[in-house]
Amino acid sequence: GAGVSQSPSNKVTEKGKDVELRCDPISGHTALYWYRQSLGQGLEFLIYFQGNSAPDKSGLPSDRFSAERTGGSVSTLTIQRTQQEDSAVYLCASSYRTGGFTEAFFGQGTRLTVV
Amino acid sequence: AQSVTQLGSHVSVSEGALVLLRCNYSSSVPPYLFWYVQYPNQGLQLLLKYTSAATLVKGINGFEAEFKKSETSFHLTKPSAHMSDAAEYFCAVTTDGGGGYNKLIFGAGTRLAVHP
Repeated sequence: GAGVSQSPSNKVTEKGKDVELRCDPISGHTALYWYRQSLGQGLEFLIYFQGNSAPDKSGLPSDRFSAERTGGSVSTLTIQRTQQEDSAVYLCASSYRTGGFTEAFFGQGTRLTVV
Repeated sequence: AQSVTQLGSHVSVSEGALVLLRCNYSSSVPPYLFWYVQYPNQGLQLLLKYTSAATLVKGINGFEAEFKKSETSFHLTKPSAHMSDAAEYFCAVTTDGGGGYNKLIFGAGTRLAVHP
């Protein structure tokens, strides 16, 4: 596609359920980022992929959060046993490396509501 | 490790007035710096970026930013605010780490309000 695609755009789930959030980056982009944006907060870094590997997982809030990327393309962010504090907008971004950093392109986000 | 501090979570200006949004960074190696804008209910859009080619960077919609190494700053300015500039603005930093790895770190954001 032309841009970064995230699905679903909105997700309402019950506390304790697991959820999967999907990100389709721009074709050819090797770097992929996940961020969390809570109401009134900035962008909290969660995890970064270069290809299929994740050099930095330091931002994942707890062991309930995990992410994977397959084929150097699609990424899935999984939240197990969701809690109300997980409610936020989850943003994905991708960028293309050519020996120097280039801009990150963002998807529209997935708004997660845990009830 | 790198970090970004944006001074002022909310800034309010009159239409036609100067816009100044402050960003200070911390990085042990030469940084790449960015300003992104987020309009209500939309995703983030790149305004401008500093990648060492020039210290004064011009972006879209009349915005510009100046990289000042001595002050570790990358403040965003616009000479004359428009109502359409009302949005949230994020400063971000990254570095070209060894092996080509890097991560993109954002500040907490500054919400700009423009009033008539």
